[in-house]
Amino acid sequence: AQSVTQPDIHITVSEGASLELRCNYSYGATPYLFWYVQSPGQGLQLLLKYFSGDTLVQGIKGFEAEFKRSQSSFNLRKPSVHWSDAAEYFCAVGARNKFYFGSGTKLNVKP
Amino acid sequence: DGGITQSPKYLFRKEGQNVTLSCEQNLNHDAMYWYRQDPGQGLRLIYYSQIVNDFQKGDIAEGYSVSREKKESFPLTVTSAQKNPTAFYLCASSPAGLAGVLGGNEQFFGPGTRLTVL
Repeated sequence: AQSVTQPDIHITVSEGASLELRCNYSYGATPYLFWYVQSPGQGLQLLLKYFSGDTLVQGIKGFEAEFKRSQSSFNLRKPSVHWSDAAEYFCAVGARNKFYFGSGTKLNVKP
Repeated sequence: DGGITQSPKYLFRKEGQNVTLSCEQNLNHDAMYWYRQDPGQGLRLIYYSQIVNDFQKGDIAEGYSVSREKKESFPLTVTSAQKNPTAFYLCASSPAGLAGVLGGNEQFFGPGTRLTVL
C-alpha cells in the first residue's frame, strides 16, 4: 500500500538558516512526488513536483527537492529561510488518480 | 481568473443537521476531490470523481455524500451520520488523461471550509 511519512511534526529554524524537511514514501512503482505548502486557514499551494529525469527538482520560492530512489526519500530543502516561509508543508505521492499525503511538518522561523 | 472556489469559508451546524459544502472550479478539470484535514493528521480523502456522474469513496467516506452532475461542481454533504464532523474541508481538482491515471497530475486546491458543529 502507498504511504508517505514525514517524521518531523514541528521544526524551528532561524531566519537565514538552511532548511531540510524529510519525506519518505512507500510505493511499488515509479512514484510521482509532490511538495505542497499551506498557510494557516488556507488551501495548499504546489511548491514542486517530480515525475522523472533529473533527481534534483527546482520549485517556487527558492525551494528544491531531491529524489533518492535507494532511500525512498524526497526531501525538501531551502538554503536560506525567510520569515514568510513559516507554514505547514506536505509531501504527497500521486498514484492512480489519488494522492497520498504525509501528516505534514510545521515550520516555525525565529527572527 | 481560473481557480477553485469553496463556500462558505466558515460554517456552523447544529448536531443532527445535514450541511452541504460547495466546490466550484473553472479550470476545466475532469477530476475533483474532497479532503478532510484535522490537526496532526494531514489530509484524508473523503470522495473523488474522475468524470461527471461518477464518483468513488475515499478512505473516510462514512457519513458523507457527494454528487457530480456538472463538470465544474462537486458539492459535499456532511450528514448527521458523521460522528465527528468538525474539521477543515478542502476541495481539489486535477486534469485527467494518462498522467492523471498514473497520479502524475498535480492537484489544485480551494481555500477550504471550516465546519464547526455546535
